[in-house]
Amino acid sequence: DAGVIQSPRHEVTEMGQEVTLRCKPISGHDYLFWYRQTMMRGLELLIYFNNNVPIDDSGMPEDRFSAKMPNASFSTLKIQPSEPRDSAVYFCASSTDGASKYGYTFGSGTRLTVV
Amino acid sequence: GQNIDQPTEMTATEGAIVQINCTYQTSGFNGLFWYQQHAGEAPTFLSYNVLDGLEEKGRFSSFLSRSKGYSYLLLKELQMKDSASYLCAVRDYAAGNKLTFGGGTRVLVKP
Repeated sequence: DAGVIQSPRHEVTEMGQEVTLRCKPISGHDYLFWYRQTMMRGLELLIYFNNNVPIDDSGMPEDRFSAKMPNASFSTLKIQPSEPRDSAVYFCASSTDGASKYGYTFGSGTRLTVV
Repeated sequence: GQNIDQPTEMTATEGAIVQINCTYQTSGFNGLFWYQQHAGEAPTFLSYNVLDGLEEKGRFSSFLSRSKGYSYLLLKELQMKDSASYLCAVRDYAAGNKLTFGGGTRVLVKP
């Protein structure tokens, strides 16, 4: 398996622009998570899905952020409009179930810079 | 909510042993994980503890005491490639079994 695949690896955009991050989870994994990592706040959970259904979006910072999972093999995280404080590394992760002893498998991340 | 504390940074010498402590507070403990993250890369799974005691896996061992809300990751025979951040994460069934991560401990291995 190719693991969790994220695109793009790097994104530089201007403030006010729309940004879309993409994720393909490991086949057969029913859970998908979006995390954001910054030096100040560490790794924070934004939202997670179970069987394509959003379960908990309490970590989404504000209405500018939205996430979708139209099918079992694809998810997007959208920021509109983007702001400089959104600059971070965004990780997607997946897991087989909610209590796996192997935890989550992370993608390589998208490094977002908003200027 | 959860509170997970671990030291920010540690330095050790190649070939030595380093112990990274993690303390946590959670209402529905359902497992503790350690991840390794090299600079610019994704976190990768190292170990899992759900019962008290020591889990050994090669040069790495992880210990858990649920009554004390305490875990440590022990790295033996340190190698230069072990220079990385080590993240402690706790799963809480009262929070939908989400993983919450500590801030990470950056370990620098010196020759």
